[in-house]
Amino acid sequence: AQSVTQPDIHITVSEGASLELRCNYSYGATPYLFWYVQSPGQGLQLLLKYFSGDTLVQGIKGFEAEFKRSQSSFNLRKPSVHWSDAAEYFCAVGTNDMRFGAGTRLTVKP
Amino acid sequence: DTEVTQTPKHLVMGMTNKKSLKCEQHMGHRAMYWYKQKAKKPPELMFVYSYEKLSINESVPSRFSPECPNSSLLNLHLHALQPEDSALYLCASSQDGAAVWSEQYFGPGTRLTVT
Repeated sequence: AQSVTQPDIHITVSEGASLELRCNYSYGATPYLFWYVQSPGQGLQLLLKYFSGDTLVQGIKGFEAEFKRSQSSFNLRKPSVHWSDAAEYFCAVGTNDMRFGAGTRLTVKP
Repeated sequence: DTEVTQTPKHLVMGMTNKKSLKCEQHMGHRAMYWYKQKAKKPPELMFVYSYEKLSINESVPSRFSPECPNSSLLNLHLHALQPEDSALYLCASSQDGAAVWSEQYFGPGTRLTVT
């Protein structure tokens, strides 16, 4: 069955520490891959996307993600987290429609 | 203009009321979407309009009625809703009307409460 999984429901990191949010997908072919961020009560903002080509993609706000076909993963990373990065992060997969993972809530400790 | 706007921001309605949510974009995008998002859950796709025609209806109850009067505007008409319909309703748009999986731009949402 087609699915997108974010294994971590909640992650807490200290400000200035590095961050990695995990995303795995299960589809017959390589889909289009996205990461979105949502602050409380707000809409979703696109951080980055992968369609093809270079497997390391750069996004806004200092985020990057790496597509690994062998692991069916598209993990999001940031080298140094800021307090303003606290939010909900959704991985999404586009094939015939757009499906979102369950989300990972990021808390940033001062 | 790179924004998707939604009005109202908040809406409280009774179960016998009729109300409408409005979404507007001026980016020339040819696909527009309605999503429903419950607290602490991901968005769930409700409807997709592609080139102003309804292309996807994810088995949404008939008390939700979408309308796309033109390429910039998307409405969601609400009638006889239930308390479990209370949620954040998100509108989104994407440039390519033929590829609903392409990158989507979201509005801030309408927080709907049904009493």
